Amino acid sequence: DTEVTQTPKHLVMGMTNKKSLKCEQHMGHRAMYWYKQKAKKPPELMFVYSYEKLSINESVPSRFSPECPNSSLLNLHLHALQPEDSALYLCASSQESRWGYTFGSGTRLTVV
Amino acid sequence: KNQVEQSPQSLIILEGKNCTLQCNYTVSPFSNLRWYKQDTGRGPVSLTIMTFSENTKSNGRYTATLDADTKQSSLHITASQLSDSASYICVVRDTGGFKTIFGAGTRLFVKA
Repeated sequence: DTEVTQTPKHLVMGMTNKKSLKCEQHMGHRAMYWYKQKAKKPPELMFVYSYEKLSINESVPSRFSPECPNSSLLNLHLHALQPEDSALYLCASSQESRWGYTFGSGTRLTVV
Repeated sequence: KNQVEQSPQSLIILEGKNCTLQCNYTVSPFSNLRWYKQDTGRGPVSLTIMTFSENTKSNGRYTATLDADTKQSSLHITASQLSDSASYICVVRDTGGFKTIFGAGTRLFVKA
């Protein structure tokens, strides 16, 4: 298994909703990442987990809450989002911090 | 300052033609450079990864080169196909830490 699987592929949520994005990999990678990507822009790093511990939080608003239940899973909990949070959310993993990423297909999030 | 600059910003070519995309970086200390292909609304897919000692690496019709002395890389696409229409992103990582720098990408349009 050489994939990073993200669910759901599409999500539409209201500003008062609570939802979660999920990411799963079974490659034995010990680093996992959340990125946010707006149209025609490169991905922007949000969070990094290394060995299931949060190692980097790029000053992301608290309405985004990451969780790493185990070495294969990564969640992003969403609450009280704003329309400007609409974007493609990408999960990635890497064998170690210095190696390249494997990206998931992303979740297209629309906040209404 | 660690930067990755890609050129051209966009490119239109006819089907069957070759093209070359450029990536210049100032990331230091350098660990690896990866080229990704990203279709609109999808996650990036890795094409090649190159470390300091590698000069050329091929993946089908894609050939990447790296000159670590001048800190330049190129991605050459041979006999382009309509399905090559996408954004091509150059990503450079430093050694040790989680510093990953994304280029802004080159948007390639292949026309029939």
